[in-house]
Amino acid sequence: NAGVTQTPKFQVLKTGQSMTLQCAQDMNHNSMYWYRQDPGMGLRLIYYSASEGTTDKGEVPNGYNVSRLNKREFSLRLESAAPSQTSVYFCASRRTGSNTEAFFGQGTRLTVV
Amino acid sequence: QKEVEQDPGPLSVPEGAIVSLNCTYSNSAFQYFMWYRQYSRKGPELLMYTYSSGNKEDGRFTAQVDKSSKYISLFIRDSQPSDSATYLCAMSGQSGGSNYKLTFGKGTLLTVNP
Repeated sequence: NAGVTQTPKFQVLKTGQSMTLQCAQDMNHNSMYWYRQDPGMGLRLIYYSASEGTTDKGEVPNGYNVSRLNKREFSLRLESAAPSQTSVYFCASRRTGSNTEAFFGQGTRLTVV
Repeated sequence: QKEVEQDPGPLSVPEGAIVSLNCTYSNSAFQYFMWYRQYSRKGPELLMYTYSSGNKEDGRFTAQVDKSSKYISLFIRDSQPSDSATYLCAMSGQSGGSNYKLTFGKGTLLTVNP
């Protein structure tokens, strides 16, 4: 049982380059999330998708776009990477409802130089 | 004021100590309270989940919620070196709309020394 799978695990980008972080879950969950984690800042929500076909901004959406491709996949795109986007990115998924456990992927370590 | 406040520590204790971790929150809509544990270079994993005010116990771990004070706690008894990790509190509201968001505290880095 793979759970939540993120690709790539590591990435180095030059300022201004674009890339897409991929996330897929095999638990038939409706809700999916993208967080970034920086030292001393905890997990900050970038975007979330309560269900297939819907996306909403979180706490720190600027500089990012998302696509809920289907129920399984939720991608995060950086159109023009900036050094401030150097971070560890986590994707998570939950069943419908607020009282359910969120399962996390192993993270993508992104460095923008 | 951030919706969820958590002292980032770090917290260092000897093996066998009782550990107390805390979070405060400002959003009265929060109804579900969770504690996640995150080992270094790993994704967070759910440790405890509570809904109502009061205590919930699971082995060496006790989660406490005081909705009137908007304060939650996690207690670890007989702490072990394997408990060394970052502990994050998380909260969400009733289902529907923006309440699907899961809001985290900054996390507290705990080290248990043998």
